[in-house]
Amino acid sequence: KAGVTQTPRYLIKTRGQQVTLSCSPISGHRSVSWYQQTPGQGLQFLFEYFSETQRNKGNFPGRFSGRQFSNSRSEMNVSTLELGDSALYLCASTLGSYNSPLHFGNGTRLTVT
Amino acid sequence: GESVGLHLPTLSVQEGDNSIINCAYSNSASDYFIWYKQESGKGPQFIIDIRSNMDKRQGQRVTVLLNKTVKHLSLQIAATQPGDSAVYFCAETYNQGGKLIFGQGTELSVKP
Repeated sequence: KAGVTQTPRYLIKTRGQQVTLSCSPISGHRSVSWYQQTPGQGLQFLFEYFSETQRNKGNFPGRFSGRQFSNSRSEMNVSTLELGDSALYLCASTLGSYNSPLHFGNGTRLTVT
Repeated sequence: GESVGLHLPTLSVQEGDNSIINCAYSNSASDYFIWYKQESGKGPQFIIDIRSNMDKRQGQRVTVLLNKTVKHLSLQIAATQPGDSAVYFCAETYNQGGKLIFGQGTELSVKP
């Protein structure tokens, strides 16, 4: 079974631009979560989508948004990029029930210059 | 955002020794805990999980211990190998589906 796939692997953007990241979950998984990983703050939860609806949300500004499609694939968007948005963005999928482990992709490395 | 700590503790062990990685979790109501391994350039990889109604769970070469009284979680790796070198994260949640709270991580270095 294929794992979680994230594209692109690397991105370089300029301040003020916007970016869209894509995630394909493991087949059969209905929940997709997004995390931001930085050396200073570690792994922080952005949001979770389940059956095309946002089920949980972290403490990030409204510039960070996401969506999920009917095939469970998900995208996250960051608008008006800031230097501090430079990070590894990780997507994770799970079957969707509580207390089932998240399986992560290898992330998208975003650099904002 | 929710996160713990800025500095990454390091554990250095000799190949073949047992390793113990510790984690203090934050929420006494958390009922599900997971350990992840993250290698350079990769995403976190699931190792083992444990529910709050258990004190111990064993996998292949790994054991997780949960002490709810002091909100402490540990990961024991038997006969540590060079391929075990990575950063290890504990994570906790309480009926939050995909919303995990991650610990700061511990870097494990295995000397051959």
